[in-house]
Amino acid sequence: EAQVTQNPRYLITVTGKKLTVTCSQNMNHEYMSWYRQDPGLGLRQIYYSMNVEVTDKGDVPEGYKVSRKEKRNFPLILESPSPNQTSLYFCASSLYGSSEKLFFGSGTQLSVL
Amino acid sequence: RKEVEQDPGPFNVPEGATVAFNCTYSNSASQSFFWYRQDCRKEPKLLMSVYSSGNEDGRFTAQLNRASQYISLLIRDSKLSDSATYLCVVNYQSGNTPLVFGKGTRLSVIA
Repeated sequence: EAQVTQNPRYLITVTGKKLTVTCSQNMNHEYMSWYRQDPGLGLRQIYYSMNVEVTDKGDVPEGYKVSRKEKRNFPLILESPSPNQTSLYFCASSLYGSSEKLFFGSGTQLSVL
Repeated sequence: RKEVEQDPGPFNVPEGATVAFNCTYSNSASQSFFWYRQDCRKEPKLLMSVYSSGNEDGRFTAQLNRASQYISLLIRDSKLSDSATYLCVVNYQSGNTPLVFGKGTRLSVIA
């Protein structure tokens, strides 16, 4: 089944404790992206990647890192999480880019205490 | 500034009703337009791309008005299962620049 898989679904952590949210797609998509969704603010892009070893900042990259060492995986790394990073996070992918249909993962609800 | 504006609603409509949402965008050079559907706390899913000539998919019709910089979504014969948040999404440039998401319009279809 074609899908984008995110893990974990829920995560509670404390300020400053490094964490990684994984994202994997099995559709051989070149484009992958991370979003966060907050009440009243809608979805905002954090980082995106056009292909392996190619990543770019979105609208809200501060406090986040990503890597794209292989095509299928695009992990989101929070080196030192803070409470303002408490949010619902979505990974998404598409065949070539943002002009095409995006397939989203099921989301990760992160709470930073 | 790149913005996409939507009426947050909620729109509460009876089953069988016709409902329409509008969405305005701020940049006339915008290239691609989409409607996504999102159920509560779940991932968005593409409902329709919006083409210049307008397009229809079953009970759903999307229209683009470039002169007035808005897109619309019309839902006919509303079903209970249509209850969701509808996100307007704009790609402001060609290529792979970040998409801009509206904050969504919440629809509640009532029996």
